[in-house]
Amino acid sequence: DVQLTQSPSSLSASVGDRVTITCRASQSITGFLNWYQQKSGKAPNLLIYAASSLQSGVPPRFSGSGSGTDFTLTISSLQPEDFATYYCQQSYSTPWTFGHGTKVEIK
Amino acid sequence: QVQLQQSGPGLVKPSQTLSLTCAISGDSVASNGAAWNWIRQSPSRGLEWLGRTYYRSKWYNDYALSVKSRITINPDTSKNQFSLQLNSVTPEDTAVYYCAREVEYYGSATYLHWIDPWGQGTLVTVSS
Repeated sequence: DVQLTQSPSSLSASVGDRVTITCRASQSITGFLNWYQQKSGKAPNLLIYAASSLQSGVPPRFSGSGSGTDFTLTISSLQPEDFATYYCQQSYSTPWTFGHGTKVEIK
Repeated sequence: QVQLQQSGPGLVKPSQTLSLTCAISGDSVASNGAAWNWIRQSPSRGLEWLGRTYYRSKWYNDYALSVKSRITINPDTSKNQFSLQLNSVTPEDTAVYYCAREVEYYGSATYLHWIDPWGQGTLVTVSS
């Protein structure tokens, strides 16, 4: 199974900050990496698919990059509604696996 | 707009069977461009993919090895829904269970997959 390691596990940031979350795969997954946002008590919501493609309706302040084993989710200017937990997920091979999440908290 | 509506009990006794259903609107369980997944989330295990069912001229299932001996995911074309059955549950199966659509898209000479949308989630507690 492909293991995904996210870092950091949590971070504190202020509105307007640039935030970067990383996801490292245990083997090359080329560009088969998706990102999700989960707010408290809700289901995850797709932000980015195929490493860098923005899901329809997602604000352009979210962006993704990377290939192979190293990937990044960037929020260019953090907004109040962005405080949530973010997960990466690989779609290279089943079983689909997820990172353990990065919780973005208010500073 | 695709929506998934989950139903099923929130409390199951140890050794019994967990059963959940996911009703689909806005898409078809027999769609050639989708697969229908069950995923669970717990503090100890995080987000854990359990399995999926999909139709590509015939029906297929894939299951996680961790639950393969206990799980069944079935499509129901007459009601446009799919179900999860997990047998012989223990307290370790306590989690929020989600159904979700997996989109399969052919682009850039390869198949891309992503999960969207998700159902609302059902907290299932295994306790006597």
